[in-house]
Amino acid sequence: EIVMTQSPATLSVSPGERATLSCRASQSVTNNLAWYQQKPGQAPRLLIYGASTRATGIPARFSGSGSGTEFTLTISSLQSEDFALYYCQHYDNWLAWTFGQGTKVEIK
Amino acid sequence: EVQLVESGGGLVQPGGSLRLSCAASGFTFSNYWMHWVRQAPGKGLVWVSRINSDGSSTSHADSVRGRFTISRDNAKNTLYLQMNSVRAEDTAVYYCARADAVVAPAAIGYWGQGTLVTVSS
Repeated sequence: EIVMTQSPATLSVSPGERATLSCRASQSVTNNLAWYQQKPGQAPRLLIYGASTRATGIPARFSGSGSGTEFTLTISSLQSEDFALYYCQHYDNWLAWTFGQGTKVEIK
Repeated sequence: EVQLVESGGGLVQPGGSLRLSCAASGFTFSNYWMHWVRQAPGKGLVWVSRINSDGSSTSHADSVRGRFTISRDNAKNTLYLQMNSVRAEDTAVYYCARADAVVAPAAIGYWGQGTLVTVSS
């Protein structure tokens, strides 16, 4: 299985500031990388797929970048509703899929 | 509206078996890959299994391979997860999930609300 490693584990950010989350794959996943947001008591929500394409209805302040083994999720100006857990995940047709361990974005 | 409704969770003894079901509606079920994802209390997301649109190809996480089996009945718009030889570490909320797009591979775009499985004697 490909191992996905996210950093940092916790990110403390003030509202209105930029947040940068990282995700590293143990081997290349090309651009088959997704980001999800999860709030307490809720199912996850797809934010980004294809490493950089926003899912339907996702605000433009969310952006993704990277390819191969290094990926970044950027939230340009944090809103109150953005404080949550964020997971990266690789996906493909053949291998077992895996999630990163998550990054918690909390209010500073 | 896409709806995924899980059922079948509950308390099961270690070494026992359980079958989860997921009733799908609001889309053409037979066109999409489907997944099971679990989340232990207070822990992160763990992908469990996936099945392609016609059921001819499946994949499982190392942690459940040989014990869990994903399957689907496209005539009934239902996804299943047969869980055998369960362990305490299988305790989690199990989410049924659908691919975001028909063309594979695709990220997970829709999630059910989950069903809790507790493995305990």
